[in-house]
Amino acid sequence: DTGVSQNPRHKITKRGQNVTFRCDPISEHNRLYWYRQTLGQGPEFLTYFQNEAQLEKSRLLSDRFSAERPKGSFSTLEIQRTEQGDSAMYLCASSSGTGGTGELFFGEGSRLTVL
Amino acid sequence: RKEVEQDPGPFNVPEGATVAFNCTYSNSASQSFFWYRQDCRKEPKLLMSVYSSGNEDGRFTAQLNRASQYISLLIRDSKLSDSATYLCVAGRGGGSYIPTFGRGTSLIVHP
Repeated sequence: DTGVSQNPRHKITKRGQNVTFRCDPISEHNRLYWYRQTLGQGPEFLTYFQNEAQLEKSRLLSDRFSAERPKGSFSTLEIQRTEQGDSAMYLCASSSGTGGTGELFFGEGSRLTVL
Repeated sequence: RKEVEQDPGPFNVPEGATVAFNCTYSNSASQSFFWYRQDCRKEPKLLMSVYSSGNEDGRFTAQLNRASQYISLLIRDSKLSDSATYLCVAGRGGGSYIPTFGRGTSLIVHP
């Protein structure tokens, strides 16, 4: 399967714990996006990378959220000291092209439940 | 005010009906526009891009009105399989390309 892969698919954690999600984009795609989606809402932009450079991170929800993309390949999204309000689907998407309007290809998402 | 606004619906229509969704965007710097489809508990997938001249793909027609900053999607001859949430997307180009999604419009096509 050469699509976008996300792990884990489901994560249940207790409040205050740290969680990390991984995204493996389509191999030739240089852009990688993280979105969060809650029930009844559209995907909400969090951050994105062009290769290994994080070009926009001001929309990360708080300083508990951080993302990395070492070597411009896979990416991780970490949430520290989770809160119940962090419960959501975390979607990763990748696209090709620079400065353009490439189609986003989404992974199946990582569903987080904070108890 | 959200950057991309959509009526969440649901739109409940019989098979064979024609249904139209509208979406407005607030950032006049937006340069690219799309409709994505999202099935229940699945990831969004591109349905079609939206061009100023309008574009058609089978039963689906998308229109863009830059002056009024709205985007539309028309579905003709609705099928049961069209039941899904339709997400409107506006993106700003340049150095940081950020596609912004609306909350989605739910469509239910019934027999």
